[in-house]
Amino acid sequence: EAQVTQNPRYLITVTGKKLTVTCSQNMNHEYMSWYRQDPGLGLRQIYYSMNVEVTDKGDVPEGYKVSRKEKRNFPLILESPSPNQTSLYFCASSLQGIRSDEQFFGPGTRLTVL
Amino acid sequence: GEDVEQSLFLSVREGDSSVINCTYTDSSSTYLYWYKQEPGAGLQLLTYIFSNMDMKQDQRLTVLLNKKDKHLSLRIADTQTGDSAIYFCAESIVGTYKYIFGTGTRLKVLA
Repeated sequence: EAQVTQNPRYLITVTGKKLTVTCSQNMNHEYMSWYRQDPGLGLRQIYYSMNVEVTDKGDVPEGYKVSRKEKRNFPLILESPSPNQTSLYFCASSLQGIRSDEQFFGPGTRLTVL
Repeated sequence: GEDVEQSLFLSVREGDSSVINCTYTDSSSTYLYWYKQEPGAGLQLLTYIFSNMDMKQDQRLTVLLNKKDKHLSLRIADTQTGDSAIYFCAESIVGTYKYIFGTGTRLKVLA
């Protein structure tokens, strides 16, 4: 089944404890992206990747890192999480990232930083 | 900067039509999208419209684009309880691989 998977689905952590949220897609997509969803703010793009070893900042990249060493994986790294990073995170992928491509979204990761 | 705005809530009766509205600021946008998010799930693309189009229809969905006013709308005909969800308007930014999403409109369908 074609899908985007994220792990973990739920995470409660404490301020300053490094964490990684994994994202994997099995559709051989070149484009992958991370978003965060907050009430009243909708989805905001954190980082995106056009292909292996090619990444760029979205609208809210501060406090996050990403890497794209393999085509299928695009982990989101929070080196020192803070409470304002408590949010619902979505990973998405599309074939090439061109505008007519459909973005497929993962099920989301709910992160709470205490 | 680029911005996409939507009203937060809409309530309709089952069988009526729903109209969800969106305004955007990037006049050079070439694609505008509507996504649906059901409770506890990720987003799913419903439809998109290219900026040289005024209207696009797909079964119960009709998208209208007014480029002059930078206004996009999604009409759902014969709204069903299964249409209850959050609907996001989004635009792609010309010259980049960035996407800007709106705040989402929560549609509640009353039986």
